[in-house]
Amino acid sequence: EPEVTQTPSHQVTQMGQEVILRCVPISNHLYFYWYRQILGQKVEFLVSFYNNEISEKSEIFDDQFSVERPDGSNFTLKIRSTKLEDSAMYFCASSERRGNSPLHFGNGTRLTVT
Amino acid sequence: QQPVQSPQAVILREGEDAVINCSSSKALYSVHWYRQKHGEAPVFLMILLKGGEQKGHEKISASFNEKKQQSSLYLTASQLSYSGTYFCGTDNSGNTPLVFGKGTRLSVIA
Repeated sequence: EPEVTQTPSHQVTQMGQEVILRCVPISNHLYFYWYRQILGQKVEFLVSFYNNEISEKSEIFDDQFSVERPDGSNFTLKIRSTKLEDSAMYFCASSERRGNSPLHFGNGTRLTVT
Repeated sequence: QQPVQSPQAVILREGEDAVINCSSSKALYSVHWYRQKHGEAPVFLMILLKGGEQKGHEKISASFNEKKQQSSLYLTASQLSYSGTYFCGTDNSGNTPLVFGKGTRLSVIA
């Protein structure tokens, strides 16, 4: 069964450094998302992406964050200058459609900012 | 608008039943249910669309009451493998990203 893949599985970085989290969504899916989950807490929406542009973003997704689909397969989340509170599990997800289509999540990247 | 889930946590013995509720203060287009095991990604269980339908998935089923803006997940004859955190995700219009509740931690013990 096709799956969403994320790399790396774990990233440790120092405060103020830039990080790029990578995702390969399922190939025939059209909608892509980033969610994050601080340890033991809820899954929070960050941003959705469709047709090569951001379709929605939450208030968490400020100017420090950006997303890109640099080629036909990868979908990246960049955090420009990491803060301690950015430490979390970041999940990429994709879906065929909106509304009545399930989200398929990757296994996540655990980001630790020291 | 984040949906509200209840209870926050529940402990069951194998074979017992449980109900997890999810409610919204706004009209709902769809409700999604996911299960997340410790250290893993959320895994899709089912979607319910407005229309008050009930869906089943093995011994796990769910209902959606559009008027009350709530959904319930029913786990019957629970198994150890049902342990995990259950999240509902809601979509208010059919064209908005899912917003998840805080989750219900379910522990099934032998």
